[in-house]
Amino acid sequence: KNQVEQSPQSLIILEGKNCTLQCNYTVSPFSNLRWYKQDTGRGPVSLTIMTFSENTKSNGRYTATLDADTKQSSLHITASQLSDSASYICVVSEGDKIIFGKGTRLHILP
Amino acid sequence: DTAVSQTPKYLVTQMGNDKSIKCEQNLGHDTMYWYKQDSKKFLKIMFSYNNKELIINETVPNRFSPKSPDKAHLNLHINSLELGDSAVYFCASSQYRDRGPKNIQYFGAGTRLSVL
Repeated sequence: KNQVEQSPQSLIILEGKNCTLQCNYTVSPFSNLRWYKQDTGRGPVSLTIMTFSENTKSNGRYTATLDADTKQSSLHITASQLSDSASYICVVSEGDKIIFGKGTRLHILP
Repeated sequence: DTAVSQTPKYLVTQMGNDKSIKCEQNLGHDTMYWYKQDSKKFLKIMFSYNNKELIINETVPNRFSPKSPDKAHLNLHINSLELGDSAVYFCASSQYRDRGPKNIQYFGAGTRLSVL
């Protein structure tokens, strides 16, 4: 079982709608948690980075939350756009290790 | 003006061949990485170099050998390619070597390797 689990595996929503992606982790000790966006055929791009003392971090229409007690994070996308279609990857750092989730594939329909 | 560039973008080759993938970054970063993304989309770190010095070497077959001629370049050479090596390989770079929150990694576009 991967130490970073993401859900749902894939998600389809209409343009303009909001959505929330989930990330649960068992990594301990925890250093920081990152959300990446990976467009098809491209490398991942960093969206947010949070340490254990941060509860929320925003980047435009993207808002990440972190509950270090329950080891859960979410990425909320507001007013989705077609360009939001991508994979969203949760990454947790533990000391020198970086552990990637499998990602959530998001499809935005016009 | 691409920050992290990899070549080639696509690589199709037969089992048993030796191939290299090149990576260059123009961000002035000290640390570079190679990642492998398999068909299930898991990204796994393979190697990390800081100022031409190997700092991370995950459990990777010794058929894979990274080479860093200078801190702006990190190439990946693969000997005796196997079917299981088929994947997308990503190069990345960051300013620092630690995993702290200020250390953002910038990824290249990836090299899709297909071994026939």
